[in-house]
Amino acid sequence: DVKVTQSSRYLVKRTGEKVFLECVQDMDHENMFWYRQDPGLGLRLIYFSYDVKMKEKGDIPEGYSVSREKKERFSLILESASTNQTSMYLCASSSRQGATNGKLFFGSGTQLSVL
Amino acid sequence: SQKIEQNSEALNIQEGKTATLTCNYTNYSPAYLQWYRQDPGRGPVFLLLIRENEKEKRKERLKVTFDTTLKQSLFHITASQPADSATYLCALIEGYQKVTFGTGTKLQVIP
Repeated sequence: DVKVTQSSRYLVKRTGEKVFLECVQDMDHENMFWYRQDPGLGLRLIYFSYDVKMKEKGDIPEGYSVSREKKERFSLILESASTNQTSMYLCASSSRQGATNGKLFFGSGTQLSVL
Repeated sequence: SQKIEQNSEALNIQEGKTATLTCNYTNYSPAYLQWYRQDPGRGPVFLLLIRENEKEKRKERLKVTFDTTLKQSLFHITASQPADSATYLCALIEGYQKVTFGTGTKLQVIP
């Protein structure tokens, strides 16, 4: 089975800190995604990547950046954490569309609290 | 971009009944639509996919329909069980790879 591993289950940071969220997948998937999930707002796409060193903005990229230096690893960076970035962050991966029709495999999530 | 609407109110049903969840989208019809299940504190898990040229898809107690005229998908769980209690999300692909989700409907199956 595909495994998508997020480095931390819970994280508490201070306002203004630089925060790194790491995600690793083991199925050689081309596509990787970062979502945040908030009550009443559902899953919102922050960034996605369809190849190494490639990235595309999602619906809410402001305040975030990403890095994909290796195929299996996709990092989300909060340059200067703010309280409104307190959320559940979910990483996902998929193979190229057409192979599995975009079926996403998710990690267990990182609950980030910014104080 | 697409707007995907799911009933934000929780759905409570009795065990053994059929649960029906609705997903409506606003713009162009996608090539296919996906349904996921999410348990509290966990990431979503893929359940079913239906293509635009398929009217209906079944998997065990699950059934999905796709009506491109109404811009709607219905997700049915027959003979529902308390273990089916979860939040169910519909999703579709925009462009090449971007997957957009609805806000989900929380289902509670009462014993």
